[in-house]
Amino acid sequence: DSGVTQTPKHLITATGQRVTLRCSPRSGDLSVYWYQQSLDQGLQFLIQYYNGEERAKGNILERFSAQQFPDLHSELNLSSLELGDSALYFCASSTYNTGELFFGEGSRLTVL
Amino acid sequence: GESVGLHLPTLSVQEGDNSIINCAYSNSASDYFIWYKQESGKGPQFIIDIRSNMDKRQGQRVTVLLNKTVKHLSLQIAATQPGDSAVYFCAEVNSGGGADGLTFGKGTHLIIQP
Repeated sequence: DSGVTQTPKHLITATGQRVTLRCSPRSGDLSVYWYQQSLDQGLQFLIQYYNGEERAKGNILERFSAQQFPDLHSELNLSSLELGDSALYFCASSTYNTGELFFGEGSRLTVL
Repeated sequence: GESVGLHLPTLSVQEGDNSIINCAYSNSASDYFIWYKQESGKGPQFIIDIRSNMDKRQGQRVTVLLNKTVKHLSLQIAATQPGDSAVYFCAEVNSGGGADGLTFGKGTHLIIQP
């Protein structure tokens, strides 16, 4: 158990809809990262927050947004969903800004 | 294309044998390299890392070798066990060492034959 909690574990929705994925980082970790994992693209970095502030942005679409709240939990909002958004979405947290990340078990999104 | 990639998508080994998973990288300025293990239905798990000023680092049953001359990274798992079945990702860290500069390869699926 990494200590990172993600909900929901599975989500099925239709094209055009909007969903919110939630992440609680490990106790004490200030950094939260979001990754997308699909079969053809592997693990793609989306965005990082540190203590409530956006720190770095990767290949995140404009239809996607995220935030980190004062209690350090984070949400990833995906809107105007397309079939190609179907993927596993991982949240990770870290104590320091190094490559040692602690990943949650992911949220599997299926867009029909 | 990706700057980090893996030579083989699938590696099948006999239980008890040693496993060697290879990875090529292209950014000679990367600060360090990391191996992650992802078991089915779980998120990636940190295994071991190595700084760019090292060529070898050992952990518990795992050894990572870094050859900067040919930009090659390998993960050796000794006495492979069924619990080692997973997808293994190499990742390089650059852009000052922050995790926002973490680039994952596509992964190698390690299959353990009984």
